[in-house]
Amino acid sequence: EVHLVESGGGLVQPGGSLRLSCAVSGFTFNTYWMHWVRHAPGKRLEWVSRMNVDGSNTAYADSVKGRFTISRDNANNTLYLHMDSLRADDTAVYYCAREASYSYYDLDYWGQGTLVTVSS
Amino acid sequence: EIVLTQSPATLSLSPGERATLSCRASQSVSTYVAWYQQKPGRGPRLLIYDASNRATGIPARFSGSGSGTDFTLTISSLEPEDFALYYCQQRNTWPPTFGGGTKVEIK
Repeated sequence: EVHLVESGGGLVQPGGSLRLSCAVSGFTFNTYWMHWVRHAPGKRLEWVSRMNVDGSNTAYADSVKGRFTISRDNANNTLYLHMDSLRADDTAVYYCAREASYSYYDLDYWGQGTLVTVSS
Repeated sequence: EIVLTQSPATLSLSPGERATLSCRASQSVSTYVAWYQQKPGRGPRLLIYDASNRATGIPARFSGSGSGTDFTLTISSLEPEDFALYYCQQRNTWPPTFGGGTKVEIK
């Protein structure tokens, strides 16, 4: 059974940093593109970032480009999101998700999410 | 970026009834629309991709249709576990974007 479990969320001050992790199981991690998506209170789901199978290709939403870095450890079946220069509007539940093998940007499995709160 | 508008915001129905959810795009997205279901405390679950294809393990009571700017998710006969939030998403134009959601609640 496919499982994705996010961790690393919490309360951080504006300007601070945080690293989120997503531990996966139940599928061959190194054959799937992976994504981060977030959901801020009262706002729409927002796609954040994407990484290909070996980490050589990444993409970011304009709202996080230059501040967030996606990475992966295929040996340990883990996806990461390193977040720097955090702002209040980064407050959200962050989900990791697996890209479906049959279509780009369709996300067929998601984790339960981890809450990031940026506040002083 | 492409804006997806979902309607209605809330749909109040009884088990066994038919649910029809709408998603309208601000410009054509061909058939590159997916639908997701979300329940409290959980991540979304892919139901439909490319407008009309059911994802793996999704019951046949869920169906999708549409192309261009207008899309529909239909649940033919609501089961108790279908009362949840539903989102549409487009992947035709970068960045991928999501609709604001429709809540299907028990009447």
